[in-house]
Amino acid sequence: DTGVSQNPRHKITKRGQNVTFRCDPISEHNRLYWYRQTLGQGPEFLTYFQNEAQLEKSRLLSDRFSAERPKGSFSTLEIQRTEQGDSAMYLCASSFQGGANTEAFFGQGTRLTVV
Amino acid sequence: AQSVAQPEDQVNVAEGNPLTVKCTYSVSGNPYLFWYVQYPNRGLQFLLKYITGDNLVKGSYGFEAEFNKSQTSFHLKKPSALVSDSALYFCAVRPFGNQFYFGTGTSLTVIP
Repeated sequence: DTGVSQNPRHKITKRGQNVTFRCDPISEHNRLYWYRQTLGQGPEFLTYFQNEAQLEKSRLLSDRFSAERPKGSFSTLEIQRTEQGDSAMYLCASSFQGGANTEAFFGQGTRLTVV
Repeated sequence: AQSVAQPEDQVNVAEGNPLTVKCTYSVSGNPYLFWYVQYPNRGLQFLLKYITGDNLVKGSYGFEAEFNKSQTSFHLKKPSALVSDSALYFCAVRPFGNQFYFGTGTSLTVIP
């Protein structure tokens, strides 16, 4: 499978716990994006990377959210001290910056439920 | 500020009839425009894009979209709807080099 892969697909956690999600992009893609989607809404941008550089992180919802892409390949999104309002689908996408192929390809998402 | 508007939360169309899902945008500069489709509990799937050139672009599954610069619109169309087209559709804009901004989505139901 050469698409974007996200793990886990589902995560149930107790309020106050930390969670980490992983995204493996399409191998030749240099851009990686994280989005959050709640029911009935469009994807909400969180952050993105070009290779290992995090180019935009001001949209991360609070300082409890952080993301890394240490070697410019896979990325992790961590939420510390989870709250019930963090329950959502977290989507990862990748694209190639440069050339005509500008579309992003999305993974199937990680659905987080905070109880 | 960059934004995308999808004025219809829900569109219903009879199978075999043409469908249109509307999208308007507000962005500085020349945008890249996209349509994505989402099936239940799945990620977004790319349908088509407008970068430059012909205002009518064709994409996957028989979908097409018309870029109208004066009306800042990028409506999604299909000549003959299928029941399997029922899904959530998202319009997105990407100011050059930046992230994607998505609309709130339109739920399309094709009635047999």
